[in-house]
Amino acid sequence: ELKVEQNPLFLSMQEGKNYTIYCNYSTTSDRLYWYRQDPGKSLESLFVLLSNGAVKQEGRLMASLDTKARLSTLHITAAVHDLSATYFCAVDTVGILTFGTGTRLQVTL
Amino acid sequence: EAQVTQNPRYLITVTGKKLTVTCSQNMNHEYMSWYRQDPGLGLRQIYYSMNVEVTDKGDVPEGYKVSRKEKRNFPLILESPSPNQTSLYFCASRRVGGTYEQYFGPGTRLTVT
Repeated sequence: ELKVEQNPLFLSMQEGKNYTIYCNYSTTSDRLYWYRQDPGKSLESLFVLLSNGAVKQEGRLMASLDTKARLSTLHITAAVHDLSATYFCAVDTVGILTFGTGTRLQVTL
Repeated sequence: EAQVTQNPRYLITVTGKKLTVTCSQNMNHEYMSWYRQDPGLGLRQIYYSMNVEVTDKGDVPEGYKVSRKEKRNFPLILESPSPNQTSLYFCASRRVGGTYEQYFGPGTRLTVT
């Protein structure tokens, strides 16, 4: 059974500082997704990582994938309040999507 | 506008009364999927479909049915809903191939009393 672990579960960030969220998974997978969810809203796609060594960046967020270590990271550069949300990673194996527990980010001044 | 739509958005029903939550996408995506989100349990996949007439179980299929008669629609059917199916449900779709980016619908909040 595929397990996907995210840590931390909660992250209180100071504006302007850098942080990293980790996503570990237990078996080989086809691809890895990162999503953002604001309270009461649906999921917004951030990144799709398709292969080992993949790195994608959008604004202050950068995601990377190491398939050998079964690890993906979501790096936040110079946090701003707009980034406050819950972030999920999800691993896709032959069409079955398994989500991590989610990391709730709160950015404070 | 490219989108995934779900109806209804909110539903309160009683135990045992059959219901259907519709999902439709206008992006000609082959892959569609249903998820439920529960506090403390996170997001879990119920069923998915790789194309018309092809459906497969996800992690939590018990108590649910799906059908995929047309490419754009993927309804979720609860034949005899029970209170433990009270949840927030999301439908999603993506292409098979290409970027694999998956688009989510707005969600359906279901309460079964």
